[in-house]
Amino acid sequence: GDSVTQMEGPVTLSEEAFLTINCTYTATGYPSLFWYVQYPGEGLQLLLKATKADDKGSNKGFEATYRKETTSFHLEKGSVQVSDSAVYFCALSLPRGGYNKLIFGAGTRLAVHP
Amino acid sequence: NAGVTQTPKFQVLKTGQSMTLQCAQDMNHNSMYWYRQDPGMGLRLIYYSASEGTTDKGEVPNGYNVSRLNKREFSLRLESAAPSQTSVYFCASTLGSGGTYEQYFGPGTRLTVT
Repeated sequence: GDSVTQMEGPVTLSEEAFLTINCTYTATGYPSLFWYVQYPGEGLQLLLKATKADDKGSNKGFEATYRKETTSFHLEKGSVQVSDSAVYFCALSLPRGGYNKLIFGAGTRLAVHP
Repeated sequence: NAGVTQTPKFQVLKTGQSMTLQCAQDMNHNSMYWYRQDPGMGLRLIYYSASEGTTDKGEVPNGYNVSRLNKREFSLRLESAAPSQTSVYFCASTLGSGGTYEQYFGPGTRLTVT
């Protein structure tokens, strides 16, 4: 079945460090891929997305490239800030039976220290 | 625009009690969803409504019912709450049912069943 696997956390970094959070997926068909971010006490917000192979999504210094050959969508940021501390969810989306089926990974908690 | 709103923000129930979680969106979206979020499990789909007048079961529907009251509102009802339903509940909406559409999330309802 369709699924998303992302690296377990927590990930703890110092400010200005490089961030990578790995995400791989299994899907039948051609999914769209998303990264959502959840700040403490809030709902999920879309961080970036890519809808086809080799697309690069980017936002707020974060980037991820849709790699069909490795079924991956790793999240990267060159220099993290304390304000980036949050839980990050990788997700895939496919049209299924008339609705937008969104499947999430388990989430990776990021803590950035000054 | 308020986006997706949910009430209440917090709720404590005793086993066997019933309650309804309310969700509304002001983005003229067609599809709406209810998820639950449990630690280490990402978000799991409870029910969805692809369009006004239709509802269908998601991944974990047991113990829940829904009503798509109109295009804006989608409620989730727990008829007889159980401790296993302690969770954070998120409502979401999308403009359409294709896989490329972003889902917009509400702030969540934290439910504890004792």
